[in-house]
Amino acid sequence: DAKTTQPNSMESNEEEPVHLPCNHSTISGTDYIHWYRQLPSQGPEYVIHGLTSNVNNRMASLAIAEDRKSSTLILHRATLRDAAVYYCILCDQTGANNLFFGTGTRLTVIP
Amino acid sequence: DGGITQSPKYLFRKEGQNVTLSCEQNLNHDAMYWYRQDPGQGLRLIYYSQIVNDFQKGDIAEGYSVSREKKESFPLTVTSAQKNPTAFYLCASSRKDSPNEKLFFGSGTQLSVL
Repeated sequence: DAKTTQPNSMESNEEEPVHLPCNHSTISGTDYIHWYRQLPSQGPEYVIHGLTSNVNNRMASLAIAEDRKSSTLILHRATLRDAAVYYCILCDQTGANNLFFGTGTRLTVIP
Repeated sequence: DGGITQSPKYLFRKEGQNVTLSCEQNLNHDAMYWYRQDPGQGLRLIYYSQIVNDFQKGDIAEGYSVSREKKESFPLTVTSAQKNPTAFYLCASSRKDSPNEKLFFGSGTQLSVL
């Protein structure tokens, strides 16, 4: 399994932008980068995914380094609802059955 | 509303008992998955199904069984052979088993041993 490295925890003030980093130095050319988040006692929620180009949706932005060895999930204005564990995951051509959910980054949002 | 439904939310198992966790989706997705999550840990894949009437073992299939007789349903049975079944179980689905598809998760079932 291609693995990712994320900080165990991060803090952000409410209404400020948050940049969640992810390193994936062993990524292959066809691996997609996925981000999910999970609130306590709930199932994970899809946030965003991409292959090479930066991606934007209503929840977040995904910035992918030119060499694809790292990426950053950007929450433009953190709210209390954004406090969760964020997982950065690589998905290879075998499909979603080969996703590896590590321990992620626990984001705390300070009011 | 389209989505994925897991039941029950909480389940208790006695020693030597088999229990079945339900997972239903009305998203018309081909692929379905079962994960196990232990406290403070990430998710681990138990079984997955890419299409109806077919399924494959994941990383930790021992002590579990599944069936996929209908497209919308993917029940998981925790057998008595699973010696440490206490965990949070999550079911997910995707349109197809592809790296460019997103997963939709249910709200989970917490299984505990009496």
